[in-house]
Amino acid sequence: NAGVTQTPKFQVLKTGQSMTLQCAQDMNHNSMYWYRQDPGMGLRLIYYSASEGTTDKGEVPNGYNVSRLNKREFSLRLESAAPSQTSVYFCASSPMTSGLRNEQFFGPGTRLTVL
Amino acid sequence: GDSVTQMEGPVTLSEEAFLTINCTYTATGYPSLFWYVQYPGEGLQLLLKATKADDKGSNKGFEATYRKETTSFHLEKGSVQVSDSAVYFCAVIQGAQKLVFGQGTRLTINP
Repeated sequence: NAGVTQTPKFQVLKTGQSMTLQCAQDMNHNSMYWYRQDPGMGLRLIYYSASEGTTDKGEVPNGYNVSRLNKREFSLRLESAAPSQTSVYFCASSPMTSGLRNEQFFGPGTRLTVL
Repeated sequence: GDSVTQMEGPVTLSEEAFLTINCTYTATGYPSLFWYVQYPGEGLQLLLKATKADDKGSNKGFEATYRKETTSFHLEKGSVQVSDSAVYFCAVIQGAQKLVFGQGTRLTINP
């Protein structure tokens, strides 16, 4: 099992450019998440998908869109990148068994720089 | 909303020293609590968890006890190693399985 995979690992964009971060999991998990990690601020939730076909905003959704393409894949899109979106982005997944608060499994991250 | 407050870092210790990283939380109901570890250049890995009051999570020599009366989940290890150098995150899970993280504590262990 590869677990949670993310592409690309690194990306540099110019202000105003767009891009899509890809995430896939092979653990048959129901829920998937996108976080950003900034120095001194821990991880903050951007969007999540509790199950295939549903998505919801997290703490910092502005400037982002997501697509839950199928049960395995959850992509994050920046339509018009801004320097404030320079960060490390992590995708995570969780089995989300009803009645249990399960841990989340994280990908290796994408380091994005917006110039 | 729910929140997590962690001990400010960075923390620097010598090998074989005793480690405590403090974590307190605010949350409604009965959340589950987690410690995650992030090694340099990697994603987060679950270190340990506790799902109800007085539970003790443990892994790799680390321990943390869910103290509902003090809303705390402090991480401890009796004898740290150089390989424990990493960033440690305390987290609480609230409704809809949304993890809320503390700001992280960077730990450096010197030989």
